[in-house]
Amino acid sequence: QKEVEQDPGPLSVPEGAIVSLNCTYSNSAFQYFMWYRQYSRKGPELLMYTYSSGNKEDGRFTAQVDKSSKYISLFIRDSQPSDSATYLCAMSAVPPSGAGSYQLTFGKGTKLSVIP
Amino acid sequence: NAGVMQNPRHLVRRRGQEARLRCSPMKGHSHVYWYRQLPEEGLKFMVYLQKENIIDESGMPKERFSAEFPKEGPSILRIQQVVRGDSAAYFCASSPRQTMNTEAFFGQGTRLTVV
Repeated sequence: QKEVEQDPGPLSVPEGAIVSLNCTYSNSAFQYFMWYRQYSRKGPELLMYTYSSGNKEDGRFTAQVDKSSKYISLFIRDSQPSDSATYLCAMSAVPPSGAGSYQLTFGKGTKLSVIP
Repeated sequence: NAGVMQNPRHLVRRRGQEARLRCSPMKGHSHVYWYRQLPEEGLKFMVYLQKENIIDESGMPKERFSAEFPKEGPSILRIQQVVRGDSAAYFCASSPRQTMNTEAFFGQGTRLTVV
């Protein structure tokens, strides 16, 4: 079982639809949860950052973390053609030694197309 | 405020040659993470460096790959004797702290093609 599972899609929705993206993970040590957006041939751009469980909202985006189920979600309301991109979930744990790395473990990404 | 700069953006190397990928962090950032994105795969952690120190290289292949982050100048990811399987996009991210949080930013990547 991979540490982070994410359905690669592709996912195609009409403009204005609500989009739901999600990831499951197996490592209970993960404490930090992120969603990145990556346009073709570009670097990942951080969309949402959450520590531990709970919900976070930013404009049209809502991130949810359920640590008991090891499940995270990203919702996009009123989706726009400009939201067409690949969405990557990522997570990290506190390093065992305080000075270690907060390396991110990524899902494979879900490719989203929003059709006008 | 310039972002994280990676160069070259595209690099073509023949099998057996060396590849040098550069990452200039954002101003004030002294922590650099390198990730590799293979075709149809997610990003995979390679190495975490602070100025003049390799902190965590647990994701680096044991042979042919090395990284440095000198006191002056960019961080360098070096791949010796490249093989076709090294073809990928290589991204670096810089941060003012250890953590990869809202203050950390990725560069646009270097796309390495080995022919």
